[in-house]
Amino acid sequence: RKEVEQDPGPFNVPEGATVAFNCTYSNSASQSFFWYRQDCRKEPKLLMSVYSSGNEDGRFTAQLNRASQYISLLIRDSKLSDSATYLCVVNNPGDYKLSFGAGTTVTVRA
Amino acid sequence: NAGVTQTPKFQVLKTGQSMTLQCAQDMNHEYMSWYRQDPGMGLRLIHYSVGAGITDQGEVPNGYNVSRSTTEDFPLRLLSAAPSQTSVYFCASRRDGGAFSNEQFFGPGTRLTVL
Repeated sequence: RKEVEQDPGPFNVPEGATVAFNCTYSNSASQSFFWYRQDCRKEPKLLMSVYSSGNEDGRFTAQLNRASQYISLLIRDSKLSDSATYLCVVNNPGDYKLSFGAGTTVTVRA
Repeated sequence: NAGVTQTPKFQVLKTGQSMTLQCAQDMNHEYMSWYRQDPGMGLRLIHYSVGAGITDQGEVPNGYNVSRSTTEDFPLRLLSAAPSQTSVYFCASRRDGGAFSNEQFFGPGTRLTVL
């Protein structure tokens, strides 16, 4: 079983729509969680960290469910510029390495 | 700050050739790593370093060597290129690798094709 699994999508949504997707992780001891964004043929960049209590950054909301071992990302009022691949990233305690999901592709259409 | 820089941006090799992908960061980050990204497989860790003089293997180290003689530089060497090494390579750095990781910064990537 992969350490981090994501629905690859693609999620095709109209502008203004809300889109949400999850990521599951296998290690119950995982401590740090992140969402990275990757535009086509570009490097990944940090979108937001995911905190235990959930957190918002503008139109983006991230949630963590430790009991079911998943994190989620919700994008409200989608913009064309939100079209990208969203990578779920997990860090385990005492481990320098980050584990990356394969990404969920979101395409926002006019 | 330039952040994380990588050279070259594109490279075509023939099977059996060797080359070095360069990576440098100017943020004084202790932790640096190399990933390869293939379609549908996400980012896979090749090698990483937690400081100058210290390196370790990641998930897919075979066919690659690294060294870390300075905090700034972390080159990746392909010993004898194979078509299976055709991929996009990303170098990354972050301040440290503690229990609660901080933001990891990536270079722009090197697109490598092995014929």
